[in-house]
Amino acid sequence: AQSVSQHNHHVILSEAASLELGCNYSYGGTVNLFWYVQYPGQHLQLLLKYFSGDPLVKGIKGFEAEFIKSKFSFNLRKPSVQWSDTAEYFCAVNARGNTGKLIFGQGTTLQVKP
Amino acid sequence: KAGVTQTPRYLIKTRGQQVTLSCSPISGHRSVSWYQQTPGQGLQFLFEYFSETQRNKGNFPGRFSGRQFSNSRSEMNVSTLELGDSALYLCASSYGVSQETQYFGPGTRLLVL
Repeated sequence: AQSVSQHNHHVILSEAASLELGCNYSYGGTVNLFWYVQYPGQHLQLLLKYFSGDPLVKGIKGFEAEFIKSKFSFNLRKPSVQWSDTAEYFCAVNARGNTGKLIFGQGTTLQVKP
Repeated sequence: KAGVTQTPRYLIKTRGQQVTLSCSPISGHRSVSWYQQTPGQGLQFLFEYFSETQRNKGNFPGRFSGRQFSNSRSEMNVSTLELGDSALYLCASSYGVSQETQYFGPGTRLLVL
C-alpha cells in the first residue's frame, strides 16, 4: 500500500533561516508528488508539484523541492523563511493514472519566529 | 474561476444522527474527491467520484457514502454518527485525467456530540 512519511512534525525557525522538510513515500510504481500548505484559518493550497522531467521543481513563494527517485524522497526547501511562512505543510502522492486519490503525510507544523 | 465551495461550513450533530455535506467543484472539473482531516489521523482519503461514478474508495466503513450529480456537484453522507466522526471534511476537484492537481475547498467542520 502507498504511504507517505514526513520526518519532522514540528519545526521552529527564526526568520531568514533556511528550511528543509523531509518527505519519503512508499510505492512501487510511477507517482505524482505534491506539497500543499495550510495557513492558519485557510484551506489547503498547492505549493508545488512534480509530474515528470526536471527533478528540481519550483513553486510559489520561493519554495522548491527535489525529487530523488532512488531515495523515494521529495524534500521541500526554502533558503530564507519569513514569518508569513508559518503554516502546516503536507507532502502528498498519487499513483500515475489514479489522480483522484491523494495519500498525505502526517504534516509538519512550521513556526517562524520574527 | 470560482474555487471549490463546500456547505455547510460548520455542523453540530449528536451521536446516531446522519449528516449530508455538499461540494461544488470548480467549473469544468469532473472529479471530486473527499478527505477526512483529524489531529490524530491527519488527512485520509474517503472516496472519489468521476462522471457520477465512484472511481476510488478509501478504507472507511460503509456508513460513509457519497454520490455525484450530472453537474459534477457531490454530496457525502455519514449515517449513524459516532463521536470519532468529528473532523474537518475536505472536498477537492480536478479535471480527472492524468497528471493533475487537486484543488481543495475550505472544508466542513463536523462536531459530533
